[in-house]
Amino acid sequence: EAQVTQNPRYLITVTGKKLTVTCSQNMNHEYMSWYRQDPGLGLRQIYYSMNVEVTDKGDVPEGYKVSRKEKRNFPLILESPSPNQTSLYFCASTRPGSYEQYFGPGTRLTVT
Amino acid sequence: SQQGEEDPQALSIQEGENATMNCSYKTSINNLQWYRQNSGRGLVHLILIRSNEREKHSGRLRVTLDTSKKSSSLLITASRAADTASYFCATDHSGGYQKVTFGTGTKLQVIP
Repeated sequence: EAQVTQNPRYLITVTGKKLTVTCSQNMNHEYMSWYRQDPGLGLRQIYYSMNVEVTDKGDVPEGYKVSRKEKRNFPLILESPSPNQTSLYFCASTRPGSYEQYFGPGTRLTVT
Repeated sequence: SQQGEEDPQALSIQEGENATMNCSYKTSINNLQWYRQNSGRGLVHLILIRSNEREKHSGRLRVTLDTSKKSSSLLITASRAADTASYFCATDHSGGYQKVTFGTGTKLQVIP
């Protein structure tokens, strides 16, 4: 089954404790993105990647890092999480030639 | 910055009625997409309309695009309780697969 998976689905952590949210897709898509969703703000793009080793900042990249060492994986790294990064995070990959994005199930992160 | 803004923010209708949601954006686009999100879950792509198209249909969905007014509408005909979800427009204003900006969404409730 074609899908985008994210882990963990839920995470409660404390300020400053480094964490990684994994994202993996099995559709051989080149393009992948990370978004955060906050009430009243919709989805805002954090980072995106056009291919292995090619990443770029989205609209809200501060406090986040990404890497793309393999086509299927696109982890999101929070080196020193802060409470304002409490949010619902989505990873997505884009079907080539269509602009259609496939979204993962989301990761709900709480930073206390 | 947010590109798309949906209107209304929330909409409640009876099953069988039509639902119309609007999206406005600020700068010229290459295409506009509509996505659906069931509560807290990943977004699902519904339909894409290109900047040179004025209207597009997919099943019970009808999308219009008015580039002179920088606006789009999504019409769901003969609504069903299963259509209850949030609906987001997403604008591509760069021509690239990854620079997609989402609006704040319309929350639709269809009452059986």
